[in-house]
Amino acid sequence: QKEVEQNSGPLSVPEGAIASLNCTYSDRGSQSFFWYRQYSGKSPELIMFIYSNGDKEDGRFTAQLNKASQYVSLLIRDSQPSDSATYLCAVSRTSYGKLTFGQGTILTVHP
Amino acid sequence: DVKVTQSSRYLVKRTGEKVFLECVQDMDHENMFWYRQDPGLGLRLIYFSYDVKMKEKGDIPEGYSVSREKKERFSLILESASTNQTSMYLCASGRAGVGTEAFFGQGTRLTVV
Repeated sequence: QKEVEQNSGPLSVPEGAIASLNCTYSDRGSQSFFWYRQYSGKSPELIMFIYSNGDKEDGRFTAQLNKASQYVSLLIRDSQPSDSATYLCAVSRTSYGKLTFGQGTILTVHP
Repeated sequence: DVKVTQSSRYLVKRTGEKVFLECVQDMDHENMFWYRQDPGLGLRLIYFSYDVKMKEKGDIPEGYSVSREKKERFSLILESASTNQTSMYLCASGRAGVGTEAFFGQGTRLTVV
């Protein structure tokens, strides 16, 4: 079993819809959870992080964490074509800030 | 703004060459990381460093070594480059502590021929 697994893509949604990206992790000692966005040919950039159970909202983005189910998700409301990118889920359990990444989910938002 | 700078954007090297990839950060971060990114495999950690001269193996250290002589600089060394090391290499840095984000450099696309 991979340490961090993301829902297989690619995911295609129409403009204005909600995009739902999912991630599961195997290590129950994981403490912090991150969502990065990576545009084609660019480096990953942080969208959100979460470390408490429940929801965390930032503009059109909502991260959800359920530690009992070892599940973290990212919802993008009112999806825009500019949201088209690869979304990377990352998990950390150590104080060194070492991140373990999932394989990424490609999201396409079509007009 | 945090800046993580990798020395080269594109590199082409021959099989068997010793290759150095350099990374510099300007935010006095304790932690620095080297990842490689391959299609379908995501980012995989090669090595990380939590202090000057300190290093830890990541998930795929074979064929690589690292050096951190100064806090701001972290080098990745391919001792004898092979074609299966053709990849995108990403350097990152971050503060010590749980929950701190990693800031990435622009990446080095290495091709070994």
